Amino acid sequence: DIVMTQSPLSLPVTPGEPASISCRSSQSLLRTNGNNYLDWYLQKPGQSPQLLIYLGSNRASGVPDRFSGSGSGTDFTLEISRVEAEDVGVYYCMQSLQSPVTFGQGTRLEIK
Amino acid sequence: EVQVVESGGGLVQPGGSLRLSCAASGFTFSSYWMSWVRQTPGKGLEYVAHIKQDGSEKYYVGSVEGRFTISRDNAKNSLYLQMNGLRADDTAVYYCARVRDDGTGFDYWGQGTLVTVSS
Repeated sequence: DIVMTQSPLSLPVTPGEPASISCRSSQSLLRTNGNNYLDWYLQKPGQSPQLLIYLGSNRASGVPDRFSGSGSGTDFTLEISRVEAEDVGVYYCMQSLQSPVTFGQGTRLEIK
Repeated sequence: EVQVVESGGGLVQPGGSLRLSCAASGFTFSSYWMSWVRQTPGKGLEYVAHIKQDGSEKYYVGSVEGRFTISRDNAKNSLYLQMNGLRADDTAVYYCARVRDDGTGFDYWGQGTLVTVSS
């Protein structure tokens, strides 16, 4: 199985400041079609996960443009340009290149 | 509005069985792969199984293969997970999730149903 490793595991951020989460995969997630099979999800407190970014860098419907995804191959980053209070929760990366899909351990974002 | 709503969770003894259901609405259910994903405090999010639109293909994570069966009824817009031979490490919140139409990732999740395996 492909192993997904996130860092940091905990991320305290001041509102209005940027935030960055890293995700590394044990195998390249880049297919010959040019797509990276990497998603980002946010699980807000008491809620189910919600899709933020798909195929590495595409924002899902309704996701604010302060969220962006980048990277290729085995190294990926989720960036929040200006953190807001509603962004608290646990962020997960997930690979869908190979079955079974696998998730990172999660990064807990909290407001300072 | 797309909705998926799970039901059927509860407390079950080790070795017991449980059947989870997921009722879908707001989209053409028969056009999408569907999946079950579970979440435990210790292991985080874990894919369990997924099923093709017409039910002809089914895939499972190794730890549930031979014990769990995913199925669907497109006439009822429903997804199911039959869980047999339950073990303590199957204790989790089970989510029903719609697979994106390009086959990558999950674009809609239910609120989850808790399964507790304990004597």
